[in-house]
Amino acid sequence: AQSVTQPDIHITVSEGASLELRCNYSYGATPYLFWYVQSPGQGLQLLLKYFSGDTLVQGIKGFEAEFKRSQSSFNLRKPSVHWSDAAEYFCAVGPQSGYSTLTFGKGTMLLVSP
Amino acid sequence: EAGVTQFPSHSVIEKGQTVTLRCDPISGHDNLYWYRRVMGKEIKFLLHFVKESKQDESGMPNNRFLAERTGGTYSTLKVQPAELEDSGVYFCASSRLAGVRNEQFFGPGTRLTVL
Repeated sequence: AQSVTQPDIHITVSEGASLELRCNYSYGATPYLFWYVQSPGQGLQLLLKYFSGDTLVQGIKGFEAEFKRSQSSFNLRKPSVHWSDAAEYFCAVGPQSGYSTLTFGKGTMLLVSP
Repeated sequence: EAGVTQFPSHSVIEKGQTVTLRCDPISGHDNLYWYRRVMGKEIKFLLHFVKESKQDESGMPNNRFLAERTGGTYSTLKVQPAELEDSGVYFCASSRLAGVRNEQFFGPGTRLTVL
């Protein structure tokens, strides 16, 4: 069965510091990969997605993620964190064919300290 | 363009009562999804509508949950009777086309607490 692991439940980063959120997946085939962010009171917003091609994908708000097939990972990075990045981040995978059943990780809560 | 809206934002009910959650998708989006996040767990898929038809309801936990989408516009998710383990955040999402290449737009969720 497919699964997504986000090993860090909480991460605290100083404003201006770099960020990496980890995501590993277990899937029968190479899935489509996503990162979503949820700010308080808001719905999940898509940050970026990987379907194929260049394994380094750029997203909104200055985020990027790198797909590493050998490690079954899709880690999210940002070179300099802003206080407004404090939110919960979800990694998700979905099938390359068929309908859109997304499988999510448990989420990582990002706290940004001054 | 208005986003996906969900009502209510919070609901607190007692075990055994009935609750109905509503989702209004983005106008023109034929695909509507329900997900649930139980505290400390993953967001899990419940079901997928294409217009008014249930395309996939494999994630529905049991027959206490009933989802409808009459007319292919808004959807309701009824829990009857509610149990303690039904507590969590219920998310709705919509997309214009099916398939994960088409972005799903999520609502803010309904937080359900069953006492």
